[in-house]
Amino acid sequence: QKEVEQNSGPLSVPEGAIASLNCTYSDRGSQSFFWYRQYSGKSPELIMSIYSNGDKEDGRFTAQLNKASQYVSLLIRDSQPSDSATYLCAVSPSGTYKYIFGTGTRLKVLA
Amino acid sequence: DVKVTQSSRYLVKRTGEKVFLECVQDMDHENMFWYRQDPGLGLRLIYFSYDVKMKEKGDIPEGYSVSREKKERFSLILESASTNQTSMYLCASRSGEQYFGPGTRLTVT
Repeated sequence: QKEVEQNSGPLSVPEGAIASLNCTYSDRGSQSFFWYRQYSGKSPELIMSIYSNGDKEDGRFTAQLNKASQYVSLLIRDSQPSDSATYLCAVSPSGTYKYIFGTGTRLKVLA
Repeated sequence: DVKVTQSSRYLVKRTGEKVFLECVQDMDHENMFWYRQDPGLGLRLIYFSYDVKMKEKGDIPEGYSVSREKKERFSLILESASTNQTSMYLCASRSGEQYFGPGTRLTVT
């Protein structure tokens, strides 16, 4: 069973701090990795995708991928209360159209 | 921008009714998906389609069927709704990246 693991949280950070969200996956052949943000009662919104080892930055968001250790992380710099949401990690294993989703980490940014 | 739309945001049905949930995408994506999301259980894949008239079962297909007669439209059918099918239903489509519709919150009473 291919799995994606996330700490459910809540992860609480003060406004302006860096929030660090982590995700591990079991399928070593996975090639594509994604982070989604989901506000309560809303659908998931894609915020980052990463395909190769290293860092990828987009505004206040940085995704980090380490295939050897099978983890992917999301850093949110200068966290804002509006960043309070559940963050879902998703992995697309090799040879499939499907995504495997983690159950999400709830982030709370305290004003 | 990719747009995925779902026919209803909220739906209330009675036990035993046949329920149709429709999803339309405007990006010519070949792959479309239906998920349900429940507290504590995360996103669970019901069915997906990789081309017109092509479908595959996901992790929890029991009690559901799907139809994809046109590339842009993917329908989820609850043959005989039951209370344990009360959930948030999410449609998604993908080319490389997967995009979700707004969701349908279905309540079966």
